[in-house]
Amino acid sequence: EAGVVQSPRYKIIEKKQPVAFWCNPISGHNTLYWYLQNLGQGPELLIRYENEEAVDDSQLPKDRFSAERLKGVDSTLKIQPAELGDSAVYLCASSLDPQRGEQFFGPGTRLTVL
Amino acid sequence: SQQGEEDPQALSIQEGENATMNCSYKTSINNLQWYRQNSGRGLVHLILIRSNEREKHSGRLRVTLDTSKKSSSLLITASRAADTASYFCATDPLGGGSEKLVFGKGMKLTVNP
Repeated sequence: EAGVVQSPRYKIIEKKQPVAFWCNPISGHNTLYWYLQNLGQGPELLIRYENEEAVDDSQLPKDRFSAERLKGVDSTLKIQPAELGDSAVYLCASSLDPQRGEQFFGPGTRLTVL
Repeated sequence: SQQGEEDPQALSIQEGENATMNCSYKTSINNLQWYRQNSGRGLVHLILIRSNEREKHSGRLRVTLDTSKKSSSLLITASRAADTASYFCATDPLGGGSEKLVFGKGMKLTVNP
């Protein structure tokens, strides 16, 4: 069974440019998460989807960040415009049964903003 | 915000030794989970312990939970070089919905061959 797929793995952009990250969760996993991980820190939740509905986006900086999961499967996270402080690893995770608690993570996208 | 805090922040041991990592947290929880992250990779779930459990085993892993002290420990026995990674505890806060995990800052374990 394929794991969570993310692309690209690495992205380098100039500040003020837009950037998008893509995630394909494990087949059948209705819950999808986007996390931000700064160097030397643990992941911090940005947004959680149940199917196509964003049920927790309280930590998403909505002035520049947006996300979508139109068909309840894969998802896109966008930053526009990017700032220097956005340099981090963006992790996508999915889970089959939220009540069980276990989340499956993708390899992440490492973003560098110059 | 990050609730869990792992201790020590870094640990270096020899292959074959045991490694113990501690996690303290602040609020009541539904469960506590431990994840491993190899350099440049995503996180891998290791073990979950529920608030009504005190100890759990999985292979070479042993997890304890003391809800009165709001702390947990992860013991890796007979460590291997492949155990070299960062380890995170993550809590599922009570009342936050079973879907929300709050991660600690992580602890870097180095196992020397």
